[in-house]
Amino acid sequence: GENVEQHPSTLSVQEGDSAVIKCTYSDSASNYFPWYKQELGKRPQLIIDIRSNVGEKKDQRIAVTLNKTAKHFSLHITETQPEDSAVYFCGGSQGNLIFGKGTKLSVKP
Amino acid sequence: NAGVTQTPKFQVLKTGQSMTLQCAQDMNHEYMSWYRQDPGMGLRLIHYSVGAGITDQGEVPNGYNVSRSTTEDFPLRLLSAAPSQTSVYFCASSYGDGSYEQYFGPGTRLTVT
Repeated sequence: GENVEQHPSTLSVQEGDSAVIKCTYSDSASNYFPWYKQELGKRPQLIIDIRSNVGEKKDQRIAVTLNKTAKHFSLHITETQPEDSAVYFCGGSQGNLIFGKGTKLSVKP
Repeated sequence: NAGVTQTPKFQVLKTGQSMTLQCAQDMNHEYMSWYRQDPGMGLRLIHYSVGAGITDQGEVPNGYNVSRSTTEDFPLRLLSAAPSQTSVYFCASSYGDGSYEQYFGPGTRLTVT
């Protein structure tokens, strides 16, 4: 089955800096790669996703890139703000969604 | 629309007790799933269902049973609770399968002593 590895497990940045979180997946049949944000005590919520026929997708300050050959994808957050502080999960799916272990992002004012 | 609802919000069980975590959605989603969340372990898939009457195992199914008699409801049963099942449980639903946006419920925090 699918296995998704996520790095780093924790990330601390200054407000205004960029943050990058990286994930690798094992199943070459996976074709859907979402990113979820989970604030403390809340449920995970989708922030951006990408399908395997696309190399990059942007939505305001967040972007995701996908390298199918290397089987890795990354989340990029620019101009970070304190409200970006949360745990971020990447996932891979070819039917069932398997998540990485999460990255705790802290944005310091 | 209420979205995805879960009950109870909190539960404490003794080892060996059984219980059912309830999950319901009002979005007419065919796909529903259960995840458990443990510190440092991310979200792990327990069981999933692609429609009423159809269920299958995920990554960590041992100790849990599910059934799907209606489109709306997807209960998770713990047959004989163990301390290793202490976790936060999230139910999710989506329009298609895992390759579409998952709508998560608010979670149930379960402690087994």
